Amino acid sequence: GNSVTQMEGPVTLSEEAFLTINCTYTATGYPSLFWYVQYPGEGLQLLLKATKADDKGSNKGFEATYRKETTSFHLEKGSVQVSDSAVYFCALRDTGRRALTFGSGTRLQVQP
Amino acid sequence: GAGVSQTPSNKVTEKGKYVELRCDPISGHTALYWYRQSLGQGPEFLIYFQGTGAADDSGLPNDRFFAVRPEGSVSTLKIQRTERGDSAVYLCASSLTLDREDEQFFGPGTRLTVL
Repeated sequence: GNSVTQMEGPVTLSEEAFLTINCTYTATGYPSLFWYVQYPGEGLQLLLKATKADDKGSNKGFEATYRKETTSFHLEKGSVQVSDSAVYFCALRDTGRRALTFGSGTRLQVQP
Repeated sequence: GAGVSQTPSNKVTEKGKYVELRCDPISGHTALYWYRQSLGQGPEFLIYFQGTGAADDSGLPNDRFFAVRPEGSVSTLKIQRTERGDSAVYLCASSLTLDREDEQFFGPGTRLTVL
């Protein structure tokens, strides 16, 4: 079956620090990979996606590269801001399926 | 434009009662999804619709859960004989089509508490 594993949080960083949130996956087909973000009091929003191996998704200074050889899709940002404080979810959508499979989420807290 | 809306935003009920949760998708979106998010977990798939028909209901946990979308727009998730373990945030999402490239847009969720 499909599964997504994320590093446990919370991750606490100072402003302008480098961010990495690890995500690995198991899938039976050739999945598309996603990062969703949930800001306090708001609904889930798509942050970035990659649909095939070696693709890099990017948005708002965040990046993630689809690594088929290591089944990973780690989220990175070079310089975090207080406004990036949120819960981040890694997700996949496998070949032939339309539903998303999510990881358990990683809470990021950025301190000024 | 308007996003996905869900009502009520909060629902408190007693064990054994029946509840209905409503989802209004983005206008024109033919695909609609229901997920359930327990505290500290990621959303888990329940069911999705293409138009009026349930295309995949494999995530429904048991026969107490049922969902309809009679006119291909608004959907209602129905839970019979609620149990304390049903307490969670129920999320609805919609996408333009079922194409794998189409983004799923999520609503704010309904927080269900079963006492």
